[in-house]
Amino acid sequence: EAQVTQNPRYLITVTGKKLTVTCSQNMNHEYMSWYRQDPGLGLRQIYYSMNVEVTDKGDVPEGYKVSRKEKRNFPLILESPSPNQTSLYFCASSLQGSFSPLHFGNGTRLTVT
Amino acid sequence: ELKVEQNPLFLSMQEGKNYTIYCNYSTTSDRLYWYRQDPGKSLESLFVLLSNGAVKQEGRLMASLDTKARLSTLHITAAVHDLSATYFCAVDMGTSGSRLTFGEGTQLTVNP
Repeated sequence: EAQVTQNPRYLITVTGKKLTVTCSQNMNHEYMSWYRQDPGLGLRQIYYSMNVEVTDKGDVPEGYKVSRKEKRNFPLILESPSPNQTSLYFCASSLQGSFSPLHFGNGTRLTVT
Repeated sequence: ELKVEQNPLFLSMQEGKNYTIYCNYSTTSDRLYWYRQDPGKSLESLFVLLSNGAVKQEGRLMASLDTKARLSTLHITAAVHDLSATYFCAVDMGTSGSRLTFGEGTQLTVNP
């Protein structure tokens, strides 16, 4: 089954404790992206990647890191999480150059205390 | 900076009625997407609109794009309870879908 898999689904952590949210897709998509969803703000793009070893900042990249060492994986790293990063995070992927819609993962609900 | 605004943000309607959700955006673009999100779930794609005048229909939903007015509409015909969800429009300013800016979302509730 074609899918984007995020882990974990739920995560509660404390301020300053480094964490990684994993994202993997099995559709051989070149493009991958991370969004955060906050009430009343819609989804905001954090980082995106057009292909392996190619990443770029989205609209709200501060406090986040990403890497794209393999085509299928695009982890989101919070080196020193803060409470304002409490949010619902979505990973998404699509075929590059096709204007095809994004395929979203199931989301990761992160709480930073 | 691209701004995408949806109207209304909350919509409560009766089954069988028609209504339209509006999506206005501030910068020229001819690529717009509509997504649906059920409570506690992920987003799923509804429509991809890639040119001025584009119209797409699926069941009781019809989406259109007017790039000159920087406006997209999502029209609901004879609403049913199953259409209750949050609907997002997203405008693409990047290369083939790489820089989507989402609206705030319209939370639709269809009452029996």
